[in-house]
Amino acid sequence: EVQLVESGGGLVEPGRSLRLSCITSGFTFGEYVMSWVRQAPGKGLEWVGFIRSKANGGTREYAPSVNGRFTISRDDSKSIAYLQMNSLRTEDTAVYYCGHSFGFAWGQGTLVSVSS
Amino acid sequence: DVVMTQSPISLPVTLGQPASISCRSSQSLVYSDGNTYLNWFQQRPGQSPRRLIYKVFNRDSGVPDRFSGSGSGTEFTLEISRVEAEDVGVYYCMQGTHWPYTFGQGTKLEIK
Repeated sequence: EVQLVESGGGLVEPGRSLRLSCITSGFTFGEYVMSWVRQAPGKGLEWVGFIRSKANGGTREYAPSVNGRFTISRDDSKSIAYLQMNSLRTEDTAVYYCGHSFGFAWGQGTLVSVSS
Repeated sequence: DVVMTQSPISLPVTLGQPASISCRSSQSLVYSDGNTYLNWFQQRPGQSPRRLIYKVFNRDSGVPDRFSGSGSGTEFTLEISRVEAEDVGVYYCMQGTHWPYTFGQGTKLEIK
């Protein structure tokens, strides 16, 4: 069974950084794209970005709203994906979900609140 | 960015009756490989999204066959043949053809 568990969320001041982790199991992690989407309170879903498998270059794509501030990485030896979030803004407040491929499965999410 | 427009936004349905959600994209979703990357997700109250349909009409494993997807180009539909209580939630279409990928605004299905 595919499982994804996000962690690392919390309350942070604007301009600060936070790193989210996504621990996975139940599939061959290194073979798949890993994605991140977010959902602001009471709002819809928004793509954050994704990272390709190393076999496909390990390259990343980011939504314009986070490009240059967020970095997605992966540790295939540990089956963990990361989302490094820098220069956080109040509008980044959301539940962040990591995903297997482009939505095959999602974790339970972790809440990031950006506020002074 | 590709804009995904769903209708209706709110969908009250009687148990056992059919339901239909429309999704329109601002550009064709046919990719250069010939595939159309249009997915449907269900988000039950308090839960993570769950993919129901991928590439327009392919049902994910474990998804009841009362859910079906159809469409092409820029017009797509999710149909539920007979609504059950567990179908309550918000449904999103999502295009995975043009980056950044985008979701529709969501359709909230409720039981009358």
